[in-house]
Amino acid sequence: DTAVSQTPKYLVTQMGNDKSIKCEQNLGHDTMYWYKQDSKKFLKIMFSYNNKELIINETVPNRFSPKSPDKAHLNLHINSLELGDSAVYFCASSPDSQGLSYNSPLHFGNGTRLTVT
Amino acid sequence: RKEVEQDPGPFNVPEGATVAFNCTYSNSASQSFFWYRQDCRKEPKLLMSVYSSGNEDGRFTAQLNRASQYISLLIRDSKLSDSATYLCVVNTGFQKLVFGTGTRLLVSP
Repeated sequence: DTAVSQTPKYLVTQMGNDKSIKCEQNLGHDTMYWYKQDSKKFLKIMFSYNNKELIINETVPNRFSPKSPDKAHLNLHINSLELGDSAVYFCASSPDSQGLSYNSPLHFGNGTRLTVT
Repeated sequence: RKEVEQDPGPFNVPEGATVAFNCTYSNSASQSFFWYRQDCRKEPKLLMSVYSSGNEDGRFTAQLNRASQYISLLIRDSKLSDSATYLCVVNTGFQKLVFGTGTRLLVSP
């Protein structure tokens, strides 16, 4: 199936731990993203990469480090996890980075629900 | 002021009803506009794009008013399966999409 897939689906961990979330897309898209959806369901962009190059880095703590080994993969590593990091993290991709036009919509993965205790 | 604002709802409607959602955006330079749908504990999915001339897709009609910076979504003949959160999404021109907080729709039998 062509899709954006991310693992794990659920992640429960303790404060202070380091964890990673992996994302892969086989849609042949050039651009990949990480979004965070908090408890109030507000979906906010964190990072975007175009062909392995960082394009957008919103005001995210530097405990969050994205890594893109190739244009089909964008992983998210989080150091020293805090309670406030609990959220659903969505990976997404789009065909190109040209302003997310009508011809270039976002395709989301099914999310990783992170719970920090 | 939030970049994209929506009434959070919930909108409770019976099957067969017509329901309309509104959305306003703050950046007049915004370039493209969308409605996404998000089911409970699922990922958002593109419902439809919103064009300046207005567009329709079956029971769904989207309108854009650039002068008022206002977007709407009309759902006719609501089905139980339409129950979801509807996200107004705007491309602000900075290579990113800004999402509204969503409007929750509950369609009851």
